[in-house]
Order: sequence, then structure tokens, then C-alpha cells
Amino acid sequence: EAGVAQSPRYKIIEKRQSVAFWCNPISGHATLYWYQQILGQGPKLLIQFQNNGVVDDSQLPKDRFSAERLKGVDSTLKIQPAKLEDSAVYLCASSIHGGPSGANVLTFGAGSRLTVL
Amino acid sequence: AQSVTQLGSHVSVSEGALVLLRCNYSSSVPPYLFWYVQYPNQGLQLLLKYTTGATLVKGINGFEAEFKKSETSFHLTKPSAHMSDAAEYFCAVSGGGGGNKLTFGTGTQLKVEL
Repeated sequence: EAGVAQSPRYKIIEKRQSVAFWCNPISGHATLYWYQQILGQGPKLLIQFQNNGVVDDSQLPKDRFSAERLKGVDSTLKIQPAKLEDSAVYLCASSIHGGPSGANVLTFGAGSRLTVL
Repeated sequence: AQSVTQLGSHVSVSEGALVLLRCNYSSSVPPYLFWYVQYPNQGLQLLLKYTTGATLVKGINGFEAEFKKSETSFHLTKPSAHMSDAAEYFCAVSGGGGGNKLTFGTGTQLKVEL
């Protein structure tokens, strides 16, 4: 089966500019996650979707970050305006059903590396 | 809240030597535990997971981990390191008192030397 697709792989922007990342999960996977991985740290969950609804966005900086999954398939994560501290790899993951339980494994994409200058 | 502590941000072993990557978790009830591996410029790949039942879990590429409730640990081992094992390894926890959220440790970079 095809994996989780993400684009772009790399993006360099100036601070205060905007950027958008796209993710297409594995076909049939109901749950989609966006993680932020800052250099030297483990991935941190930003937002979790179940189909087209938000399950958890408690760690999403809502003043500058937004995400949508309008048709319950692919998703877009946007940052506007970007700050220096947003430099990170943005990982998208999907799973068949909700929650990373024992029977529910997350499959990750290769990530989108953002550098904010 | 749940948390994961990985001791040692960098571990170096010789090829053929034992690999031991340490992971301790905090949770009020037994959680689900995972090890993921990340090769350069790639996403995370599941190595193995513990849910219930047998506490010794075998994963891909010859890795295994043992869930020890009394020590709140889930250390990752491999009897004989190979050059291709060089990567970053993340321990993660979910379930227990933290709901479905997957919480990662800070990672351990494994270097394998000739």
C-alpha cells in the first residue's frame, strides 16, 4: 500500500511569512495526526483528526497555526505568521481508527522540514 | 500526565556488540509502550510495541524490549549491532492515565562503529 505522502519536503521562509504543508494519509485511515519535531526533541502532537473532525488540538498554537481536513482525507497545516522557533520537521501520521492504542499503529510520513530565517 | 524518559541522548557501540537503549515511563496505570526508529530524512518506523500479555516483545530487525512494571521500564536491546542500525530511536507511551495521546521521549541517537 502507498504510504503517508507529505509535501513539500523542505521549505525555507523568512519570519512573519506564511507556509502550508500538505498530507495525504494511507487510504482508508480515519485518523490523521500532525506532529512537530524540533531538533533534539521527540515529536509533539499538534492536532489529531478523526475523519474531518478535530479530536485533540490542545497543543496547537492557535494564534498562528491552523489545520484542516475538510473532506476527511488529505489535510493541510498552515503557519501564519511564522516565528524563528517554528523551525522544525512537521510529521504527518495516520492510523486506521482513533487513538494510538495497542491495536492501532501510527504510520508516519517522511516529514516536511521548515527553516525560518 | 504521562511522560517518557530516555537515558542517554547519544549511545555508541561497536559493530557486533550489544545494543541497550533505556526508556522509563511514568503512568498511573499500565500503558501501551512503543519503540520507533528514525533514519536520516525519513519518518518514524515502528520497531515494536507492548500492549498486554507477554512482557518480552520482539520487533523487526532483531530488536526486542521487555516491559518491567516494577521498574517502569521498557528498554530496547539487540544482541549484535549492525552498521545499518545507526539511527535515532524514540520510546513512546499512550493509554494508561494519558488517554490516547502518543507521548514521545527525546530520542537516543545510536552510532555503530567498526
